[in-house]
Amino acid sequence: DAMVIQNPRYQVTQFGKPVTLSCSQTLNHNVMYWYQQKSSQAPKLLFHYYDKDFNNEADTPDNFQSRRPNTSFCFLDIRSPGLGDTAMYLCATSRDPGPNQPQHFGDGTRLSIL
Amino acid sequence: AQTVTQSQPEMSVQEAETVTLSCTYDTSESDYYLFWYKQPPSRQMILVIRQEAYKQQNATENRFSVNFQKAAKSFSLKISDSQLGDAAMYFCAYRSGAGGSEKLVFGKGTKLTVNP
Repeated sequence: DAMVIQNPRYQVTQFGKPVTLSCSQTLNHNVMYWYQQKSSQAPKLLFHYYDKDFNNEADTPDNFQSRRPNTSFCFLDIRSPGLGDTAMYLCATSRDPGPNQPQHFGDGTRLSIL
Repeated sequence: AQTVTQSQPEMSVQEAETVTLSCTYDTSESDYYLFWYKQPPSRQMILVIRQEAYKQQNATENRFSVNFQKAAKSFSLKISDSQLGDAAMYFCAYRSGAGGSEKLVFGKGTKLTVNP
């Protein structure tokens, strides 16, 4: 059974039109992460939540925001997507922060901006 | 800043044979963790194996083992008795052992094909 679920699997949206990607987890983990993976590139961490505390990476564009209304759900909002935001977006969770905690990934959402 | 380099964009192996995927990294830290993740086509990324930098012994998980050379900053993955289900993109990743850093730094990946 999938434990980190991302919806939708595929999303196509227009340039400049706000889009929201969803991640849910059944693991009751405290930490949720969002990664961006562009074609032929390494996944790159955008931000993470530790419980309700939001932690943004320094180089994450302001266009990208996140919400975590409860333990199970975390959303990635792109306010005004540009063509360069076309990518796979990966959600991951870990029980607690720290390098000793393995991260569990969802299947990803492939986002295309037209 | 830490970087992770996977110099082999693609590799192939015959079923039942052994293959080694290369990974090097750059860091000035002494406390860190290294990982290999597997991402099958259209499937979720899963952790294959993990190595703590303070441990000299190479990690092993069934058919998967690593060759961790700390001085050389090298962390290769060996897959023995390759199976068709091993076909996937493999990512090497680094994580700092310092408190407050949650970032996994990934390499660009190696696409492994297993030939029957």
